[in-house]
Amino acid sequence: AQKITQTQPGMFVQEKEAVTLDCTYDTSDPSYGLFWYKQPSSGEMIFLIYQGSYDQQNATEGRYSLNFQKARKSANLVISASQLGDSAMYFCAMRGLNTGNQFYFGTGTSLTVIP
Amino acid sequence: EAGVAQSPRYKIIEKRQSVAFWCNPISGHATLYWYQQILGQGPKLLIQFQNNGVVDDSQLPKDRFSAERLKGVDSTLKIQPAKLEDSAVYLCASSISRDYEQYFGPGTRLTVT
Repeated sequence: AQKITQTQPGMFVQEKEAVTLDCTYDTSDPSYGLFWYKQPSSGEMIFLIYQGSYDQQNATEGRYSLNFQKARKSANLVISASQLGDSAMYFCAMRGLNTGNQFYFGTGTSLTVIP
Repeated sequence: EAGVAQSPRYKIIEKRQSVAFWCNPISGHATLYWYQQILGQGPKLLIQFQNNGVVDDSQLPKDRFSAERLKGVDSTLKIQPAKLEDSAVYLCASSISRDYEQYFGPGTRLTVT
């Protein structure tokens, strides 16, 4: 079975500071992908960043980076220089490439950026 | 490039009534997904289409939920009859293929009273 765990229901960060959102996963599939999505109050899920299980380097996309620690089965999202517009729900998701390609989402972390 | 379109945005119905949601994916995207997101939870995949064929519907409550994508483009998700526990946001997403990231629509918020 595959499982995604996000243990931080809510986080606060000061504007312009960096913040780390935690995500751990469990899978028996040797080949998988890890994703982070942002969901503002409008409800639309916005793709942020992707990490493949065989990627040697941590993924980065602008102010977003993924701290991938395969042995610990963690895929934490780091947001640098937080902006007020970063306030939203953040979901970690996983897809097992050899187990049907089904997406599994965590329960999410609510991030609030304080001016 | 136009995003994933969904309608309606909001729907309120009484239990035992039926309801249908529509989704138009990004042009050229072969894979289409329907998710159910209950308040406070992450999205749960209901069904996945590859063109007009069903790839995965293992978590679709088939006694009351149905979905189709007849021409391999837009899709309809139906609930008949609705139950109180079906109150949720129904998200549609599409991707170029199964191996690529998904792009989501704005969702339909369903309230069953």
